[in-house]
This record gives sequence, C-alpha cells and structure tokens, in this order.
Amino acid sequence: NAGVMQNPRHLVRRRGQEARLRCSPMKGHSHVYWYRQLPEEGLKFMVYLQKENIIDESGMPKERFSAEFPKEGPSILRIQQVVRGDSAAYFCASSPRAGGVDGYTFGSGTRLTVV
Amino acid sequence: DQQVKQNSPSLSVQEGRISILNCDYTNSMFDYFLWYKKYPAEGPTFLISISSIKDKNEDGRFTVFLNKSAKHLSLHIVPSQPGDSAVYFCAASARTGANNLFFGTGTRLTVIP
Repeated sequence: NAGVMQNPRHLVRRRGQEARLRCSPMKGHSHVYWYRQLPEEGLKFMVYLQKENIIDESGMPKERFSAEFPKEGPSILRIQQVVRGDSAAYFCASSPRAGGVDGYTFGSGTRLTVV
Repeated sequence: DQQVKQNSPSLSVQEGRISILNCDYTNSMFDYFLWYKKYPAEGPTFLISISSIKDKNEDGRFTVFLNKSAKHLSLHIVPSQPGDSAVYFCAASARTGANNLFFGTGTRLTVIP
C-alpha cells in the first residue's frame, strides 16, 4: 500500500511560468491538505480539500494559487506566474477523515525552485 | 504570527544521553499537540502526540510532557541514538473539527556517536 505520492520531487520553473504539483493520497483517504515550507521555516497550512470540494483555503495566497481535488485523479496545486518567493518545499498530507490531524500522512514533498 | 515556537534551531547530544526538545505555544485554544520527525528530502513522519487532558505521554524511548499553564511542551528521547538525528517539528491544533496543524520552525537534533 503506497503512501502519499507527490510528483514531481523537484521542479524548476522560470519566473512567470506555471507550476503544477500533484498529490495522490493514501488508498482510502479522501481528505487532502497542502502545506508549504519556506527556507528555514516550519510548515504552513495552505488548503484542505475533499473530493471535488475545497473545504478550507484560509492559508492560500489570494492570487496566483489554486488547488483542486477532482473526482478522479490526484489533487493538484497550481501556481501561476511563479515568482522567486514561491521557491519552497510543498508537502501534501492525506487523512481518512475530516478533522483528522492525528491521522495525517505526509508525502515526501515537491521542491520548487524558481529561477 | 508564529503561534508555535521552537526557540532552539539546533541541539547536539552524545549517543546514550537524553535529548530534550522544547516547544512553546501562544494560542490557548490549542488542545492537541504532535511531534514530527523529518529527514532531509522526506516528508514529516508522526512521532508522538498528546491531548490537553494529559500531561505526559510515553512511547518507547520517546516521552512528551505538556505544561498547559506555561503553554509549553517538551519531547524527551532517551537514550538518544545516531538514527535519531533529524529535524523535529512541534505542531498543534484545536482538535475539535481541526482541519490544519500549526507547526514550529523545527529543531535539528544531532546525536554524536
């Protein structure tokens, strides 16, 4: 049983390009959470999704960032017109139930570098 | 606003001795606390947790202590082993219906053989 799968592991984008980060939750998990870790900082919550629904996006920047979790396929975090400040590690976690902070399983992350 | 703080960026301990990692929080609504361990190029992995109804939770070599009045918790690892060398993150949530965790900035533990 695979854990939370994130791809790509590393992503390099030029300023102004789009970045798409994918997250496949653990089997049986229908709740997905995205976190961002800037250099020398802790992880910060961005967004919580269930299948086809955004439940809490209170941590998402207001512009350029969007997330989805379609009925079929992985969850996608999309960053449009990337800037250098978007360079970070982006972690996805999944859990089997709502409010399941004690059941989080994290993926290995995608390291985005904007050049 | 950093609601969970780990004021020691790094800690070095001799193998076999005790490692004590500290964490402070400011939000009195937090009632569930977790410690995660993270190796380079990997995601955080859950280590141990504690609910605010307890002041201690133990799992093998790992013990977490919670002092609610001081809004402080600590993770004790004894005896420390070289494989424990990693970054340790403290995290907190208001468990009831919580959707997200608030993380500290981490403490890098190095266990010297």
